[in-house]
Amino acid sequence: SYVLTQPPSVSVAPGKTAKIPCGGYSIGSKTVHWYQQKPGQAPVVVIYFDTDRPSGIPERFSGSNSGNTATLTISRVEVGDEADYYCQVWDSYTDRRVFGGGTKVTVL
Amino acid sequence: EVQLLESGGDLVQPGGSLRLSCAASGFTFSSSAMSWVRQAPGKGLEWVSVISGMGDNTYYTDSVKGRFAVSRDNSKSTLYLQMNNLRTEDTALYYCAKESDWNPRKNNWFGPWGQGTLVTVSS
Repeated sequence: SYVLTQPPSVSVAPGKTAKIPCGGYSIGSKTVHWYQQKPGQAPVVVIYFDTDRPSGIPERFSGSNSGNTATLTISRVEVGDEADYYCQVWDSYTDRRVFGGGTKVTVL
Repeated sequence: EVQLLESGGDLVQPGGSLRLSCAASGFTFSSSAMSWVRQAPGKGLEWVSVISGMGDNTYYTDSVKGRFAVSRDNSKSTLYLQMNNLRTEDTALYYCAKESDWNPRKNNWFGPWGQGTLVTVSS
């Protein structure tokens, strides 16, 4: 089955840039979605189709996908961006949805 | 406004059964595939099952296949998850989530999600 790998945690200072990688075999040939989950809340999509941003999500959130790594980038990080972030793809061979293990972003 | 409200979570003994419901509003229910996603305490997200907009196609993660059954009643805008032969490892918060297309054989994204219903499997 398809596996997505994320680092458990990323730390970043306010105002700096956080990059959250999501690794998977030839993930660049797939389309990646990203979700933000704050404590006690349901997940919210922040990036879909690799690079698209839903209305209401700040432009500071962006995505890229190439080769074996997709990346969620949060520019000018704010304290309010502290959350768990998950990447997700559709495995077309099994029609199953796959999540990465999640990355906890801590703003120092 | 799209809203999803799960219910039916409870404490159940191993081997027991439970049926979860997800009441939807604010959109044409049959136009969206719907998924169940669970999150064990302190753990990450795990996709469980998806059903097509018309209810004629379903898919499951391996660990629940043969034990769980997803269904929907489009006349009631309600999604269900029948859970049988429950195991302790099924303990989790169960979310229902709207998918971005009626067809589950596409690269859909999830949104919005409900607030979840807690299933605890313990003796």
